[in-house]
Amino acid sequence: GAVVSQHPSWVICKSGTSVKIECRSLDFQATTMFWYRQFPKQSLMLMATSNEGSKATYEQGVEKDKFLINHASLTLSTLTVTSAHPEDSSFYICSARDFRSVWWNYGYTFGSGTRLTVV
Amino acid sequence: AQSVTQLGSHVSVSEGALVLLRCNYSSSVPPYLFWYVQYPNQGLQLLLKYTTGATLVKGINGFEAEFKKSETSFHLTKPSAHMSDAAEYFCAVSDGSGGGADGLTFGKGTHLIIQP
Repeated sequence: GAVVSQHPSWVICKSGTSVKIECRSLDFQATTMFWYRQFPKQSLMLMATSNEGSKATYEQGVEKDKFLINHASLTLSTLTVTSAHPEDSSFYICSARDFRSVWWNYGYTFGSGTRLTVV
Repeated sequence: AQSVTQLGSHVSVSEGALVLLRCNYSSSVPPYLFWYVQYPNQGLQLLLKYTTGATLVKGINGFEAEFKKSETSFHLTKPSAHMSDAAEYFCAVSDGSGGGADGLTFGKGTHLIIQP
């Protein structure tokens, strides 16, 4: 089946530094990838949608200069949290749209998430 | 705009009892509906989804859900709870208008507790 690998699974960084999170589709081509943020004991909030080879579309309220998204290939999207601060600490999850899915199959596959702690 | 409401942030059932997790949605177009399970510090695993066709959808681990358009509901059930079912459950909706390029809107989640 479709597998999405997300790395790292957890990271601790100092305030003011940048952190990169990778999301890879291992056995399928993902034309579209999604990045979500989840606060403790809360739901997932869509941050942005990235399409291979084009700029990401950010949801309202998400700072595009802080959360840089690059979708350089059909199997890799990266999220870089720039100049991280403690309030950026959260669980970040990526999701990939299976290129093979026809519209009524509508498959999404999620990565295992990245726990970011900024100290 | 679409939204998802999950009634009950916590649901507790005894092992072997019926599990019922409620989900209501709002969508301006026929929705695509999903149930996901999340274990601590992990990503999401798809339990089942409704896109078109049969309104009773069977998923993994004995779960099923029924799409009821008149009630705008997509409740998740399992006849007999198992200890391994203890987890966080999320209902999600997509209206599909983005041709597959739209993300999911999630409910706030329901924490399922299984009592021995």
